[in-house]
Amino acid sequence: GEDVEQSLFLSVREGDSSVINCTYTDSSSTYLYWYKQEPGAGLQLLTYIFSNMDMKQDQRLTVLLNKKDKHLSLRIADTQTGDSAIYFCAALGNQGGKLIFGQGTELSVKP
Amino acid sequence: GAVVSQHPSRVICKSGTSVKIECRSLDFQATTMFWYRQFPKQSLMLMATSNEGSKATYEQGVEKDKFLINHASLTLSTLTVTSAHPEDSSFYICSARENKHPYEQYFGPGTRLTVT
Repeated sequence: GEDVEQSLFLSVREGDSSVINCTYTDSSSTYLYWYKQEPGAGLQLLTYIFSNMDMKQDQRLTVLLNKKDKHLSLRIADTQTGDSAIYFCAALGNQGGKLIFGQGTELSVKP
Repeated sequence: GAVVSQHPSRVICKSGTSVKIECRSLDFQATTMFWYRQFPKQSLMLMATSNEGSKATYEQGVEKDKFLINHASLTLSTLTVTSAHPEDSSFYICSARENKHPYEQYFGPGTRLTVT
């Protein structure tokens, strides 16, 4: 089945760019997602990209998709302390619309 | 738009009792909702897929008689943890897939269940 992998931690300084990476195994995944989870809260849908796109930009967020390498990244420009959270990458599986999640990357933004 | 609520946000119950958690899509219709469980510092584990008007589909290893799911309307799904035990203590999160935009899935704020 589909497997989604992420690095567990990323630490950046306020004002720098953050890049969170994700790899997936199922090349038939049609949509790929980025969610943000703050402590004790649910998941917030940040953005998603269709598999026939290479890039999607939404304000400070840029998603890059390399379908050949099955690699997805999320770049956060001008990272703020409020961006500190866990970021989950997810792939839409081909069984009933289930999302397959990575382990989550904990982003720590230092002032 | 696209708001999902859960109630309660926190609940403490005694072993052997049952607890019901509600998941509502507030401003959209959702034929399909999903229930997840999340352990501390871990990713989400899908428990079941809830479809309006039909039986839920449970993931392998999830006891359907223990975790009862009812999806009675296009905006409400409920998860009942029956005969709760301390090992059922966890963070339960629901999500709803919007009918008009089926590739968008929105999550509720989660319910922290503690069984004493």
